Amino acid sequence: AQTVTQSQPEMSVQEAETVTLSCTYDTSESDYYLFWYKQPPSRQMILVIRQEAYKQQNATENRFSVNFQKAAKSFSLKISDSQLGDAAMYFCAARGTASKLTFGTGTRLQVTL
Amino acid sequence: DVKVTQSSRYLVKRTGEKVFLECVQDMDHENMFWYRQDPGLGLRLIYFSYDVKMKEKGDIPEGYSVSREKKERFSLILESASTNQTSMYLCASSPEMAGGFYEQYFGPGTRLTVT
Repeated sequence: AQTVTQSQPEMSVQEAETVTLSCTYDTSESDYYLFWYKQPPSRQMILVIRQEAYKQQNATENRFSVNFQKAAKSFSLKISDSQLGDAAMYFCAARGTASKLTFGTGTRLQVTL
Repeated sequence: DVKVTQSSRYLVKRTGEKVFLECVQDMDHENMFWYRQDPGLGLRLIYFSYDVKMKEKGDIPEGYSVSREKKERFSLILESASTNQTSMYLCASSPEMAGGFYEQYFGPGTRLTVT
């Protein structure tokens, strides 16, 4: 079983700036996977980025990257060159060998001009 | 593109009514999931199914049941709706592949209000 904690209910960033969303997790499994999902206002949840726990290299997808600190059980999301379209709820999630995901409580990101 | 559809975006029901929420996916995925989303609580898993006619309880199954008679369709049933079941309900599907490094694809959600 996993637990996922997002300690920042809301964050704000100016357009073109960089923001980091925090996530910590706990798991009893040695093989697990970590995800960040984005839920724009009134739109469907979509995957932003994912990380396999056995890979030390941090995942990157265009302007999105993670800082995966396995010993600290930390999995933060960095958004570079923030855009208005990045405004959304962001959920951190974890999965072990079973198919089900465990989600954090979410961080609402506002992007200002 | 994977498409997950849900039968209603908004639904208003009365206390005690039997409520059916339908979810359909078009990618032949083995796994399907029902979550409820509440402010400050994130997404919590109600039930999931890894094959036709197979189901497993999630973290909050009380007051809910599910049905999966066909691979593409997964229904969530509120046997007797109560006001504390007012929430956003999200359906998701995913393939079953070795390694587990696969994403879940979500539907648009159904906002259910029980009065």
